[in-house]
Amino acid sequence: AQRVTQPEKLLSVFKGAPVELKCNYSYSGSPELFWYVQYSRQRLQLLLRHISRESIKGFTADLNKGETSFHLKKPFAQEEDSAMYYCALKNYGQNFVFGPGTRLSVLP
Amino acid sequence: ETGVTQSPTHLIKTRGQQVTLRCSSQSGHNTVSWYQQALGQGPQFIFQYYREEENGRGNFPPRFSGLQFPNYSSELNVNALELDDSALYLCASSFGQGEPDTQYFGPGTRLTVL
Repeated sequence: AQRVTQPEKLLSVFKGAPVELKCNYSYSGSPELFWYVQYSRQRLQLLLRHISRESIKGFTADLNKGETSFHLKKPFAQEEDSAMYYCALKNYGQNFVFGPGTRLSVLP
Repeated sequence: ETGVTQSPTHLIKTRGQQVTLRCSSQSGHNTVSWYQQALGQGPQFIFQYYREEENGRGNFPPRFSGLQFPNYSSELNVNALELDDSALYLCASSFGQGEPDTQYFGPGTRLTVL
């Protein structure tokens, strides 16, 4: 069965500090992994996807098939990064499996 | 270009009743997915519609049913409501299949079952 885990419910860092949001998955096949973000009073939106190998708002994520991980990283956190972050996997049925989410709080 | 809209915003029902939630997809999108998000959890996939046909279903009982119309708007129907059905219901639209599609989410409908 496909599953996405995010071990931290809440992650607090100071502004300017590096941040890493952890995501692990279980999936028998070649996964497509995504990070979604929900800022306060806004709707859920795509942040980045692994196949694009892009950096959005300074965030990057590398798919590590050996460790079945897709951690989200940013070298210098900003206060506006405070939000709820969800890791998601797209399975063979073209459907998405979301993790439980991590709330990132960037302190001034 | 209009975004994904959902109605109603909030809804209160009692156990055993039936409810219909509505979603208008983003212009040009032909795929709609529905999710249930309980408090403190991530969205859970209910089902997806592609060009008016169900195209995948999550682990939800048959009393959760859906429909997609020719204009690609969609409905989620839940029969025999239970207390555990209280949640935020999200609709997401996207274009096409077999491509790295981006889902665009609506604001959600908050359903409370008493």
